[in-house]
Amino acid sequence: GQNIDQPTEMTATEGAIVQINCTYQTSGFNGLFWYQQHAGEAPTFLSYNVLDGLEEKGRFSSFLSRSKGYSYLLLKELQMKDSASYLCAVRDRSSASKIIFGSGTRLSIRP
Amino acid sequence: ETGVTQTPRHLVMGMTNKKSLKCEQHLGHNAMYWYKQSAKKPLELMFVYSLEERVENNSVPSRFSPECPNSSHLFLHLHTLQPEDSALYLCASSQDLPTSGATDTQYFGPGTRLTVL
Repeated sequence: GQNIDQPTEMTATEGAIVQINCTYQTSGFNGLFWYQQHAGEAPTFLSYNVLDGLEEKGRFSSFLSRSKGYSYLLLKELQMKDSASYLCAVRDRSSASKIIFGSGTRLSIRP
Repeated sequence: ETGVTQTPRHLVMGMTNKKSLKCEQHLGHNAMYWYKQSAKKPLELMFVYSLEERVENNSVPSRFSPECPNSSHLFLHLHTLQPEDSALYLCASSQDLPTSGATDTQYFGPGTRLTVL
């Protein structure tokens, strides 16, 4: 079967660093996405990993370990505008057209 | 990202009504999607279209009927809905189907907040 787990809620302080973890189980892993979704708005693409390792993009980095079925999104120098839900999503070879989303992690930034 | 638009943004309807949700993408993409997002639940894929052909139908009740007249427009026709169908309905598009590569990055519209009374 397919399953994606990520924490429901996290809180962090402005200027700090936070790591949001995602574990997944799929029958045929073929790529992992992270999306950001502000309340009442559409999800927006943040990162894509298909090979093991760290992908850095400005203040955001995403890491993947395929052998462990594990990814994390690292946010540095947190800003109040980073308060949002962060969605982990996995592409599975069992369905060419399907990407499976996790329930999302709601991140709150405090001053 | 304003490449995907959805109308209406909010919709309240009774269980006996018929309504339609509209999605339009201005990105020149070949694939379009309908998702349902309920509170505290993962995004649920409902339908996938590629070049106006339906390629995925995720056991969605027949009270939801999609239509894709061309590669830029996608509709979701609603009739005799239930209160549990109340949710945020998101449309997305991608260059191609997510078979491989990064060209399948999905761009989402702002969604339609649907309330069924």
